[in-house]
Amino acid sequence: SQKIEQNSEALNIQEGKTATLTCNYTNYSPAYLQWYRQDPGRGPVFLLLIRENEKEKRKERLKVTFDTTLKQSLFHITASQPADSATYLCALRNRGSTLGRLYFGRGTQLTVWP
Amino acid sequence: GAVVSQHPSRVICKSGTSVKIECRSLDFQATTMFWYRQFPKQSLMLMATSNEGSKATYEQGVEKDKFLINHASLTLSTLTVTSAHPEDSSFYICSASGGGGNQPQHFGDGTRLSIL
Repeated sequence: SQKIEQNSEALNIQEGKTATLTCNYTNYSPAYLQWYRQDPGRGPVFLLLIRENEKEKRKERLKVTFDTTLKQSLFHITASQPADSATYLCALRNRGSTLGRLYFGRGTQLTVWP
Repeated sequence: GAVVSQHPSRVICKSGTSVKIECRSLDFQATTMFWYRQFPKQSLMLMATSNEGSKATYEQGVEKDKFLINHASLTLSTLTVTSAHPEDSSFYICSASGGGGNQPQHFGDGTRLSIL
């Protein structure tokens, strides 16, 4: 069966450290993978997109890696701040999907404490 | 960045009422819009995909007569929950994509629907 697993339901780290979130998938062939941030009672906010032929993408303090052999994406937040506390969702689009449908993981709730 | 506006943000109404939720792309043309439902601490569940000018494609198990979707223009899609019941209470979120299947989806802020 198809699965997208974000390995930690919750992650607690100290301010200033690097947060690393994991997204593993089974029985998908992603054309690309996206990471979103979701705050309570709000819609997801797009952060980064990485395509199947890309290994790494960066945006300010954010870094995403994509390993199609391991079927895994890692999402890093460096120099984390309490304002980074939120739920982070990974989502992938399967190759061959003409409408751009995304499949989501359940998310990892990140808490950054001072 | 791309902005998607969803309205209303919260609805509380009696059982049997029909509720309409609007989703607008404010600064881009959305050829495709998606409607999701999300339960607490759960992932987003896709309900249906709508393309401008054509009928929506519903996911398995989603009643199309219950959840009416209209995508009449490139900037507006509506979801109407007909004859809502308490089990329809949930967080409904729309997203829009600029098309081509390679653009990120941008989400509205969701509608919290509570049926009494």
